[in-house]
Amino acid sequence: AQSVTQLDSQVPVFEEAPVELRCNYSSSVSVYLFWYVQYPNQGLQLLLKYLSGSTLVKGINGFEAEFNKSQTSFHLRKPSVHISDTAEYFCAVSKNSGYSTLTFGKGTMLLVSP
Amino acid sequence: GAGVSQSPSNKVTEKGKDVELRCDPISGHTALYWYRQRLGQGLEFLIYFQGNSAPDKSGLPSDRFSAERTGESVSTLTIQRTQQEDSAVYLCASSSRRKNTGELFFGEGSRLTVL
Repeated sequence: AQSVTQLDSQVPVFEEAPVELRCNYSSSVSVYLFWYVQYPNQGLQLLLKYLSGSTLVKGINGFEAEFNKSQTSFHLRKPSVHISDTAEYFCAVSKNSGYSTLTFGKGTMLLVSP
Repeated sequence: GAGVSQSPSNKVTEKGKDVELRCDPISGHTALYWYRQRLGQGLEFLIYFQGNSAPDKSGLPSDRFSAERTGESVSTLTIQRTQQEDSAVYLCASSSRRKNTGELFFGEGSRLTVL
């Protein structure tokens, strides 16, 4: 089975500052990794995903994440945040062969203030 | 429709009553998932449909929970004899891929409150 740990439940940051949201996973097999974002009163939408290839993955809205197999991490970063980035961010993992559901972390609330 | 549609968006019920939550996936999506999101928790997998069969229902928390799907269309999640711990947002997602290698498209959820 896979599991995901998001180390911070809430990350407050000022507008235009850089941010990193941490995600660590546990799995006995190779995995696919995802970040989803949930804006207030909306459904989840995919921000970016790592399936294979380059370990640095770029997503929508200027976000990127780096897959680090040795540290079993997939941290999300943005060099300069906007007020509109205020949302809940979920890291998710699935095994990369056969059928597998997505296992989600508990989420990190990113609060961007002026 | 353009996206995954869920109804009702909000449901308040009394303990012991049955509730039905509906999900209309994106047209042509063969895979459909139900997740539960309790306050302060991550998303908890409930059940997965491929077409109208459910190869994985390992996440259903008790026999009070059941789900069905008509062909590759609408799904209904039924909770019988609701309890206060059933209060949560129930999220439905669909996908066009048989394997979970890509994106799930989520609805906005049905918020269930059990008094």
